[in-house]
Amino acid sequence: AQRVTQPEKLLSVFKGAPVELKCNYSYSGSPELFWYVQYSRQRLQLLLRHISRESIKGFTADLNKGETSFHLKKPFAQEEDSAMYYCALSAFNKFYFGSGTKLNVKP
Amino acid sequence: DVKVTQSSRYLVKRTGEKVFLECVQDMDHENMFWYRQDPGLGLRLIYFSYDVKMKEKGDIPEGYSVSREKKERFSLILESASTNQTSMYLCASSLRYEGPSQPQHFGDGTRLSIL
Repeated sequence: AQRVTQPEKLLSVFKGAPVELKCNYSYSGSPELFWYVQYSRQRLQLLLRHISRESIKGFTADLNKGETSFHLKKPFAQEEDSAMYYCALSAFNKFYFGSGTKLNVKP
Repeated sequence: DVKVTQSSRYLVKRTGEKVFLECVQDMDHENMFWYRQDPGLGLRLIYFSYDVKMKEKGDIPEGYSVSREKKERFSLILESASTNQTSMYLCASSLRYEGPSQPQHFGDGTRLSIL
């Protein structure tokens, strides 16, 4: 069965520090993975997807099939990065979301 | 830009009432979804639809039903509301594609309180 695990409910870092939000998945097929972000009082929106292999707002994520992980990274966190982050796996047009990690970037 | 519109941002209903949550998208997407979002549990899929009049159960369909009479509209129905259905409800839509999955686009959400 498909499953997405985000082990950290809350992650607090200081501005300028590196940040890594962890995501592990279980899926027997070839995974398609996404990161979504929800800023305060805004709708959930796509941040990035693994097939694009791009950097959005300084964030990157690499799919590691051996470790079944898709961790989200940013070398220097900014206060405006404070938000709720969800990792999601897509299979057959359905999405499976993790429980989310709240990132708090302190000044 | 894709627009997914949910009819209400906040809704308060009483136990036992029949509740309708409406969602409309303007991008001709085939797929539409209803989730509930609860702290610590993330997003859980209630129902989804991949075409008009088609529906499939998600992970937590009990106590809910859906209706998709037109491509752009997907309604979630709480047949007899209960207090444990107090939650944030999110609607999403996406393009149906044979290749890589297309991203979902979300509405603002409806915060439903059942008293």
